[in-house]
Amino acid sequence: AQKITQTQPGMFVQEKEAVTLDCTYDTSDPSYGLFWYKQPSSGEMIFLIYQGSYDQQNATEGRYSLNFQKARKSANLVISASQLGDSAMYFCAMREPPYSSASKIIFGSGTRLSIRP
Amino acid sequence: GAGVSQSPRYKVAKRGQDVALRCDPISGHVSLFWYQQALGQGPEFLTYFQNEAQLDKSGLPSDRFFAERPEGSVSTLKIQRTQQEDSAVYLCASSQGQKNEKLFFGSGTQLSVL
Repeated sequence: AQKITQTQPGMFVQEKEAVTLDCTYDTSDPSYGLFWYKQPSSGEMIFLIYQGSYDQQNATEGRYSLNFQKARKSANLVISASQLGDSAMYFCAMREPPYSSASKIIFGSGTRLSIRP
Repeated sequence: GAGVSQSPRYKVAKRGQDVALRCDPISGHVSLFWYQQALGQGPEFLTYFQNEAQLDKSGLPSDRFFAERPEGSVSTLKIQRTQQEDSAVYLCASSQGQKNEKLFFGSGTQLSVL
């Protein structure tokens, strides 16, 4: 079975610093898609960034970038210049192989990020 | 509607009661997912629809759980004879159906079984 692992249950970071949230995944299929979502205390899941396994470049969206290391099966989220509003749970997710619109999306256990003023 | 709508927002049930949770996806969205999220944990996959077809129900914990989407729009997750371990937030998400597309989530239904 495919699996997503997030090894950091919680992290504290000083405001304006950069932070890296770890995510490793387990799949033997060469084609897959990876997502990151943010869940503030309000509860609603918010999409942040997507990376396809065949994408040539690491994905970036504003202050969010993905450090995608395919050989290591890792897809770490980097948040630059952290802000107080970044305090939330962060989830890594993967669309399971076979990579198609018919396959399910699974989530990791999450990392709780707290930004200190 | 503007977003994914779930109702009720909160549901308290006595053990043994049946409950029905509703999800109204974004209009035109083909894909619809249900997830169960325990406090402080990641969402656990329950089931997935593409239009009215239930493509995957491998995550449903037991035969007490049943989901339907008869007209390819609104979906209902039904839990029969609720147990305390069913207490969780139930999240619904939808998308237009492309494999690389993000999911739009509802605010969830918080179910408490007493």
